[in-house]
Amino acid sequence: GAVVSQHPSWVICKSGTSVKIECRSLDFQATTMFWYRQFPKQSLMLMATSNEGSKATYEQGVEKDKFLINHASLTLSTLTVTSAHPEDSSFYICSAQRSGIYTEAFFGQGTRLTVV
Amino acid sequence: AQSVSQHNHHVILSEAASLELGCNYSYGGTVNLFWYVQYPGQHLQLLLKYFSGDPLVKGIKGFEAEFIKSKFSFNLRKPSVQWSDTAEYFCAVTGFGNEKLTFGTGTRLTIIP
Repeated sequence: GAVVSQHPSWVICKSGTSVKIECRSLDFQATTMFWYRQFPKQSLMLMATSNEGSKATYEQGVEKDKFLINHASLTLSTLTVTSAHPEDSSFYICSAQRSGIYTEAFFGQGTRLTVV
Repeated sequence: AQSVSQHNHHVILSEAASLELGCNYSYGGTVNLFWYVQYPGQHLQLLLKYFSGDPLVKGIKGFEAEFIKSKFSFNLRKPSVQWSDTAEYFCAVTGFGNEKLTFGTGTRLTIIP
C-alpha cells in the first residue's frame, strides 16, 4: 500500500505557542488529504478536508483560524495549531487519497500533541 | 448525514475463537464501506473494502466482511483469531462519489493467548 508519513510523532508545547504538523504522501500524489482528531477511546473525528491549491473545507464546529491547514503541493499538507491550549491536546491523524471514486485512504501514524 | 455504529466496544476472545464485529451504517445512497485496523502504537491500516460487486469481501490476514444492503450492515468476521489480532477495529463509510470517511466509534479486540 501507499505510504503516508506524519511528523512529528509526538510534540509537547507550552500554552499560547503554535505547533505545525506535516503530512506527506511518499509514493503517490494526493489530491485530497484529510485531518482527523482522535480523543482517547473514541473514534476519529474529521476536522477538515484539504485539497491541493485551494482552501481547506472545515467541518462544523472546527475553528479554521485555530487549525490552519495548508496543502501547498500534491504530496504535502500541514496542520498548524495556533495559540495552543491544554484542551487542544489530542491525537491528530492525517490521511491522503488519490483522485477518483474508488480510492482508499492511507493514514499517517498520527501526532500526539500535549499542551502544557 | 451519514453515520456508522459499532455496537461492540470491547471484545475479549481466546485464541482460535471465531470473531464477528458488528457495523451498521446510515446513508441514503450508494456507499463504499471499509474496515480499518489500528494495532497498538501503529497507524490505521486497511483490512478490506467494498465498492461494488460480490457483497462478501475478503481482506488481509484472513478477515472477511459481508455487505447486507437490506440490513445496512457490514460485519467483520474471522473464523479463528490469533493473539496478534489484538487491536482497535474501525468501520467506515463514504457515500458514492464522496471521499469523506465517516468512522464508527471503534471496537477494541483483545485476544487472550
